[in-house]
Amino acid sequence: GENVEQHPSTLSVQEGDSAVIKCTYSDSASNYFPWYKQELGKRPQLIIDIRSNVGEKKDQRIAVTLNKTAKHFSLHITETQPEDSAVYFCAASGSNDYKLSFGAGTTVTVRA
Amino acid sequence: DSGVTQTPKHLITATGQRVTLRCSPRSGDLSVYWYQQSLDQGLQFLIQYYNGEERAKGNILERFSAQQFPDLHSELNLSSLELGDSALYFCASSRQENSPLHFGNGTRLTVT
Repeated sequence: GENVEQHPSTLSVQEGDSAVIKCTYSDSASNYFPWYKQELGKRPQLIIDIRSNVGEKKDQRIAVTLNKTAKHFSLHITETQPEDSAVYFCAASGSNDYKLSFGAGTTVTVRA
Repeated sequence: DSGVTQTPKHLITATGQRVTLRCSPRSGDLSVYWYQQSLDQGLQFLIQYYNGEERAKGNILERFSAQQFPDLHSELNLSSLELGDSALYFCASSRQENSPLHFGNGTRLTVT
């Protein structure tokens, strides 16, 4: 089945700086890659997603890039703000089934 | 509010007992997913249903079972509970397979 690895596990950035989280996946036929943000004690919420026919997608301060050849995708947050502090999860959806496999998560702390 | 309803919010029970967790998906969503999140851990995929049919299975224990009913709500049954089953159990739904997942607020299960 699909295996998703996520790095780093923790990330501390100064407010206003950028944050980058990277994920790799194992199933070359995976075609759907969402990112979720989970604040403490709350449910995961979708922040951005990308499909395999697109290399990059941007939504305001958030962008995701996908490299199908290398089987990795990344989340970029620019101009970080304290409210960006949360756990971020990447995920990938396999080809033969549609289960969404999640990475282990990255705890992002934005220092004021 | 994601539109996904999970009940109960909290559940405290003893080892060896059996519990049922309930999930009502967003209106119009046909697919339901169950995930387990232990303390400070990632999201472990348990099982997925689409329009009443089991579509994908993760590392779900034999003590756990689930089903999706004709009205599309789903139940996750956990039996012979052990201390290690204590976790946050999330249900998520999506319009179709391989489309964005919307998570409920979770059921926090504590086994004592």
